[in-house]
Amino acid sequence: KAGVTQTPRYLIKTRGQQVTLSCSPISGHRSVSWYQQTPGQGLQFLFEYFSETQRNKGNFPGRFSGRQFSNSRSEMNVSTLELGDSALYLCASNREQGVTGELFFGEGSRLTVL
Amino acid sequence: DQQVKQNSPSLSVQEGRISILNCDYTNSMFDYFLWYKKYPAEGPTFLISISSIKDKNEDGRFTVFLNKSAKHLSLHIVPSQPGDSAVYFCAASATGANSKLTFGKGITLSVRP
Repeated sequence: KAGVTQTPRYLIKTRGQQVTLSCSPISGHRSVSWYQQTPGQGLQFLFEYFSETQRNKGNFPGRFSGRQFSNSRSEMNVSTLELGDSALYLCASNREQGVTGELFFGEGSRLTVL
Repeated sequence: DQQVKQNSPSLSVQEGRISILNCDYTNSMFDYFLWYKKYPAEGPTFLISISSIKDKNEDGRFTVFLNKSAKHLSLHIVPSQPGDSAVYFCAASATGANSKLTFGKGITLSVRP
């Protein structure tokens, strides 16, 4: 069974630009969560989508947004990029909403902001 | 406010010996705990979990211990192998539809041959 797929794997942007990252969950999984990993902060929760609705949100500014489509695929967008947004963005899928067992992570999208 | 703390950033252990990775939490609502392992350029992979109704869970070489009164859990790897060298994240969640994983900052484990 295919795992969680994230695209693109690597990208470089400049300050002020915006970026869109994509995540395809495991087939049959309806929940998609996004996490930001930075060296100093570990993994921090961004938001969770379930059945096309944002169900939970972390403490990130409004520049960070997302959406989920009817096929459960999800995108996250970061507008007006800042240097501090450089990070590994990880997507995780789950069969149900919330934490009902292990979350399955993708390999991440490595964003570098110059 | 760091609700899940992994206070040691790194640990080095000889192959064949025991590795003990520690994790502390502050939120008394947490009732489900997980350990993830992460290699460079890969996503975290699930290792083992424990719910608050237990104090120990074992899976092969990996055992997780939970001390609720101390708000402390630990991951024991016995025997340690060079392939275990990775970053280990402790994560916790509270029951509920809006539950999410709160991660620690990770511990880098190096197993020396």
